[in-house]
Amino acid sequence: EDKVVQSPLSLVVHEGDTVTLNCSYEVTNFRSLLWYKQEKKAPTFLFMLTSSGIEKKSGRLSSILDKKELFSILNITATQTGDSAVYLCAVTQGGSEKLVFGKGTKLTVNP
Amino acid sequence: NAGVTQTPKFQVLKTGQSMTLQCAQDMNHNSMYWYRQDPGMGLRLIYYSASEGTTDKGEVPNGYNVSRLNKREFSLRLESAAPSQTSVYFCASSGPRQGGSYEQYFGPGTRLTVT
Repeated sequence: EDKVVQSPLSLVVHEGDTVTLNCSYEVTNFRSLLWYKQEKKAPTFLFMLTSSGIEKKSGRLSSILDKKELFSILNITATQTGDSAVYLCAVTQGGSEKLVFGKGTKLTVNP
Repeated sequence: NAGVTQTPKFQVLKTGQSMTLQCAQDMNHNSMYWYRQDPGMGLRLIYYSASEGTTDKGEVPNGYNVSRLNKREFSLRLESAAPSQTSVYFCASSGPRQGGSYEQYFGPGTRLTVT
């Protein structure tokens, strides 16, 4: 059975800390891995990764994929209270646009 | 350009009642999706439509039906609501971007409570 596992499930940090969120996957015919941020409403897209070892970066957020070890990490440096959210990882498989989601990591950043 | 819109935003039903959740997108996407999100469960796919006129079951289709009315609209129907269908429902759409990526864009969600 295809699956996507995120860890930790929840994390509480102080402003200014650096955090690393993990996503491992076991799917047939992997095509891409996506990260989403979900605050109170709809998930919003952060990154899509298709190639191993190539870092995607946006401001204080960065992500990298390891297709050999079947995982990805999402790093957030110098965290701010506005980073508090659930971070969702999802994968797509060749020939399909369907996303298989993990359960998410709930990040709380305290002032 | 509104993206993905959903109606209603909130709904309370009694067990056995029926209702239809509406979704529309204005991005000319071919594919549309319905998810439900429950605490601690992430997003689970109910049904999806790869193109106008086609629909397929996802991970949790029981108790739901869908209609892809046209390229823009994809509705989700609960024929006889049950308390287990209390959830937040998200509609999403996707279409090819440069480089062949297919990120999904989500609507604002519908919070449904079945008593």
